[in-house]
Amino acid sequence: AQRVTQPEKLLSVFKGAPVELKCNYSYSGSPELFWYVQYSRQRLQLLLRHISRESIKGFTADLNKGETSFHLKKPFAQEEDSAMYYCALRGYSGGYQKVTFGTGTKLQVIP
Amino acid sequence: EAGVTQFPSHSVIEKGQTVTLRCDPISGHDNLYWYRRVMGKEIKFLLHFVKESKQDESGMPNNRFLAERTGGTYSTLKVQPAELEDSGVYFCASSHRPTARQGYYEKLFFGSGTQLSVL
Repeated sequence: AQRVTQPEKLLSVFKGAPVELKCNYSYSGSPELFWYVQYSRQRLQLLLRHISRESIKGFTADLNKGETSFHLKKPFAQEEDSAMYYCALRGYSGGYQKVTFGTGTKLQVIP
Repeated sequence: EAGVTQFPSHSVIEKGQTVTLRCDPISGHDNLYWYRRVMGKEIKFLLHFVKESKQDESGMPNNRFLAERTGGTYSTLKVQPAELEDSGVYFCASSHRPTARQGYYEKLFFGSGTQLSVL
């Protein structure tokens, strides 16, 4: 079975402070990991994926297979980063490819 | 390009009633998924269509839930009869069938969701 754990329901940081949203996963094979974001009154959308090793809106995430983690980081938080963030894993479950989401972390950037 | 459209955006019904949610995926997207988020919990997979066929319905909670995708275009999710625990936000997502050129990477496009409240 595949599982994604986001231990923090709410993370509050001041503007300009570093941000780290934690994500741990459980999966027996090689996972594909993603971060999705939902801004207020907007749709859930893809932020970044581990395969592309990209930096989007200043966010990066590194897959650590040893620690089975995929934490999302940004060195300096901005007010517009306030949103709900979901870590997701794409893998095989029951013979089918499936995307499994975590419970989400609400990031609140305080001005 | 129009995005994934869901209707209604909100639905408030009484226990025992029937509700039908609709999802219009992005034109040309073969894959269509239904997800549900219950307050405080994860976004949980319900089922996956490839065109008009149910590829995986392992996440459907019970037989009170019925999903269809006639003609491989829009999809409906019917809950009959609704129970209190069915309350939550129901998301629909669609995607292209990924190709080798894309590295089999599948990007999901989500609708705005339907907030279902069962009283």
